[in-house]
Amino acid sequence: AQSVAQPEDQVNVAEGNPLTVKCTYSVSGNPYLFWYVQYPNRGLQFLLKYITGDNLVKGSYGFEAEFNKSQTSFHLKKPSALVSDSALYFCAVRDGWGGKLIFGQGTELSVKP
Amino acid sequence: EAQVTQNPRYLITVTGKKLTVTCSQNMNHEYMSWYRQDPGLGLRQIYYSMNVEVTDKGDVPEGYKVSRKEKRNFPLILESPSPNQTSLYFCASSQRGEAFFGQGTRLTVV
Repeated sequence: AQSVAQPEDQVNVAEGNPLTVKCTYSVSGNPYLFWYVQYPNRGLQFLLKYITGDNLVKGSYGFEAEFNKSQTSFHLKKPSALVSDSALYFCAVRDGWGGKLIFGQGTELSVKP
Repeated sequence: EAQVTQNPRYLITVTGKKLTVTCSQNMNHEYMSWYRQDPGLGLRQIYYSMNVEVTDKGDVPEGYKVSRKEKRNFPLILESPSPNQTSLYFCASSQRGEAFFGQGTRLTVV
C-alpha cells in the first residue's frame, strides 16, 4: 500500500535561514509526489509536484523539492525562509491512475523574525 | 478562475440532524473527492467519484453519503451526524495532475 511519512510535527527556522521539511514515501511503481501548503483558515494550495524527470523540482513561492529514489524521500526546501512561510505543509503521493491522494500527517513550519 | 467552492464554511449542528455540504468545481474535472482533516492524522479520503454517477468509498466512508448527478457538483451528506464527525472537511477535484481544493468546511456536531 502507498504511504507517506512526515517525521517532524514541527519545524522552527529563523527568517533568512534555509528550511527543509522532510517527507519519505513508500509506493509500488513510480511515485507521483506532491507538496501542499495550508495557511490558517484556508484550503490546501498546490506547491509543486514530481512526476518524472529532473530530481530537483521547482515550485511556487521559491520552494523546491528534491526527489531521491534510493532514499525514497521528497524533502521540501527553500534557501531563505520568510515569516510568511509559516504554515502547515503536507506531502502527498497519488495512489494509482485516479485522483486519490495519500497524505502525510503534516508538518507545522514556524519561521521567526 | 479555476475554483472549487464549498458551502457552508462553518457549521454547528446537533447529533442526528441531517446535513449536506455542497461542493462545485468549474474546471470540468472528472475526478472529485472528499477528505476530512484531523490533527495528527493529515487528510483522509472519505468518498470519491471518477465521473457522473460513479462513486466509491475512500478510507473513512462510515457515516457519509455522496452523489454525483452532474459533473461539476459533488455534495457530501451526513444523514445522522455524530460528534466523532466533528472535523474539517475538504472537497477536491483533479484531472491527471495536481488536485484543487475548496476552502474547507469546519463542522462541529454537538
